[in-house]
Amino acid sequence: DIQMTQSPSSLSASVGDRVTITCRASQSISSYLNWYQQKPGKAPKLLIYVASSLQSGVPSRFSGSGSGTDFTLTISSLQLEDFATYYCQQSYSSPPTFGGGTKVEIK
Amino acid sequence: EVQLVESGGGLVKPGGSLRLSCAASGFTFSSYSMNWVRQAPGKGLEWVSSISTSSNYIYYADSVKGRFTISRDNAKNSLYLQMNSLRAEDTAVYYCARGESVWSFWGRGTLVTVSS
Repeated sequence: DIQMTQSPSSLSASVGDRVTITCRASQSISSYLNWYQQKPGKAPKLLIYVASSLQSGVPSRFSGSGSGTDFTLTISSLQLEDFATYYCQQSYSSPPTFGGGTKVEIK
Repeated sequence: EVQLVESGGGLVKPGGSLRLSCAASGFTFSSYSMNWVRQAPGKGLEWVSSISTSSNYIYYADSVKGRFTISRDNAKNSLYLQMNSLRAEDTAVYYCARGESVWSFWGRGTLVTVSS
């Protein structure tokens, strides 16, 4: 199975900050990397698919980059509604696997 | 409006069984692969099982293989997960999610608690 490692596991940031979350795969997954946002008690929401494509309806302050084994989710200017946990997920091979999550908290 | 509504969760003893359902609306259910993903309390996301549009392709996580069975009824716009021989470690919120490799829409989940 492909292991997905996210860093950091948590971070504290202020509204307006630029935030970067990293996801590393244990082997190359080309661009088959998706990002989800989850708020407490809610279902995950797709933000970015195939590494850099923005899901319809997702604000443009979210962006994704990377290929191979190293990927990044960037929030250009953190908003109050962005405080949540973010997960990466590889869809390159079965079983699909998730990173451990990055919790973004208010500083 | 796309909707996925899970049901069937609850408290069950170890070794027991439950059948989860996911009712879909607002889209052509038969055109999409469907999935079950779970989340143990305070933990991350874990893929459980996937089923193709015509049920020709079915996949399971090793942790549930031989105990869980995924199925769908396209005429009823419904997805199911039959869970047998349940263990404490199966305790989680179970989500159904739409899509083959990119899960673009998720239900709100149903909680399964396995405890004596």
